Amino acid sequence: QKEVEQNSGPLSVPEGAIASLNCTYSDRVSQSFFWYRQYSGKSPELIMSIYSNGDKEDGRFTAQLNKASQYVSLLIRDSQPSDSATYLCAVNGDYKLSFGAGTTVTVRA
Amino acid sequence: EAGVTQFPSHSVIEKGQTVTLRCDPISGHDNLYWYRRVMGKEIKFLLHFVKESKQDESGMPNNRFLAERTGGTYSTLKVQPAELEDSGVYFCASGDGSSYEQYFGPGTRLTVT
Repeated sequence: QKEVEQNSGPLSVPEGAIASLNCTYSDRVSQSFFWYRQYSGKSPELIMSIYSNGDKEDGRFTAQLNKASQYVSLLIRDSQPSDSATYLCAVNGDYKLSFGAGTTVTVRA
Repeated sequence: EAGVTQFPSHSVIEKGQTVTLRCDPISGHDNLYWYRRVMGKEIKFLLHFVKESKQDESGMPNNRFLAERTGGTYSTLKVQPAELEDSGVYFCASGDGSSYEQYFGPGTRLTVT
């Protein structure tokens, strides 16, 4: 079993719609959870961090964490063409990050 | 504020040669990490420095890889001798330690032929 699993992509959504990305993790002691956005050929860019159960909103992004279910998600509201990228879920254990394979999102204009 | 920088951006070497990658973390960040992404796989942790000390090198593949961070500023990752399976993108990340957030550099794409 992989440590971090993300829903398989690619995910194609129309402009203005909500993109929903899911991630599950295997290590119950994980405490910190992150979403990174990576444009092709660029570095992973930290867009959201979440540490407690519940929702965390930042602009058009909402992260949701459920530690009992070992599940973290990212919602992108009012999706824009500039949101087209690969989104990486990362889980922290003893400082080192474990990454999922990523979900590629394409926003259709 | 300058971000994490890495040099070179791309390196092509032959099997058996030596390559040294460099990472300059965000100024003031004591925590420095190396990660690697090989073709088709997830980004994988290699090692973690706090200042000049190696905190965790559990992800280093074998003894052909040597990381240093003399003086606690920039870090180097040397691969000697390089093998074909070492090809991939090597990322460096840094963090200030107040949270677990890590900020990534642009990566070095290493191709071993």
